[in-house]
Amino acid sequence: GIQVEQSPPDLILQEGANSTLRCNFSDSVNNLQWFHQNPWGQLINLFYIPSGTKQNGRLSATTVATERYSLLYISSSQTTDSGVYFCAAGGISNFGNEKLTFGTGTRLTIIP
Amino acid sequence: ETGVTQTPRHLVMGMTNKKSLKCEQHLGHNAMYWYKQSAKKPLELMFVYSLEERVENNSVPSRFSPECPNSSHLFLHLHTLQPEDSALYLCASSQGIQGAYQPQHFGDGTRLSIL
Repeated sequence: GIQVEQSPPDLILQEGANSTLRCNFSDSVNNLQWFHQNPWGQLINLFYIPSGTKQNGRLSATTVATERYSLLYISSSQTTDSGVYFCAAGGISNFGNEKLTFGTGTRLTIIP
Repeated sequence: ETGVTQTPRHLVMGMTNKKSLKCEQHLGHNAMYWYKQSAKKPLELMFVYSLEERVENNSVPSRFSPECPNSSHLFLHLHTLQPEDSALYLCASSQGIQGAYQPQHFGDGTRLSIL
């Protein structure tokens, strides 16, 4: 199956700093999603980005499908950005359905 | 508010108990998923349902029994669980499962503790 690796595993930043999170995946995918899990466990879909670039406020993401990586950019970090950021890559399972494989996440801590 | 509601939010049970987790989606989606999130491990896909039919069972022990009575509701019935089953159980839904590659929307999860 698809392997998904995220880096760095942990990141501690001062409020206001910018950050880049990376996701590498081992095979061609038609589905690439970024999620944020806040300290209360809520998992929020940030981007559905199998290729190209998208922006949503202070967050943006770029996926280079041909080189099998995706980047999540967070600018002007705020304490509410703290949590774990997951990348998930999708392919087709043996049953013919889409199957997302999650990375182990990047734990981001923003210090006031 | 993600449109996917899970109950209960927290559950503590003994190994001999029987309980059920419930998930309801208000998004008009056709596919629903159960995931398990254990400490320091990636999310693990457990089951996938499409139009109320189970399309994937990811080698999950039989002490976990899913049920999907309609496209809006998904249950996970639990019985004789083990301490290693303590985890956050997340439900998700998406518009389709084949060829659509739609984003998955997650509920807030049920944090399960087995005594």
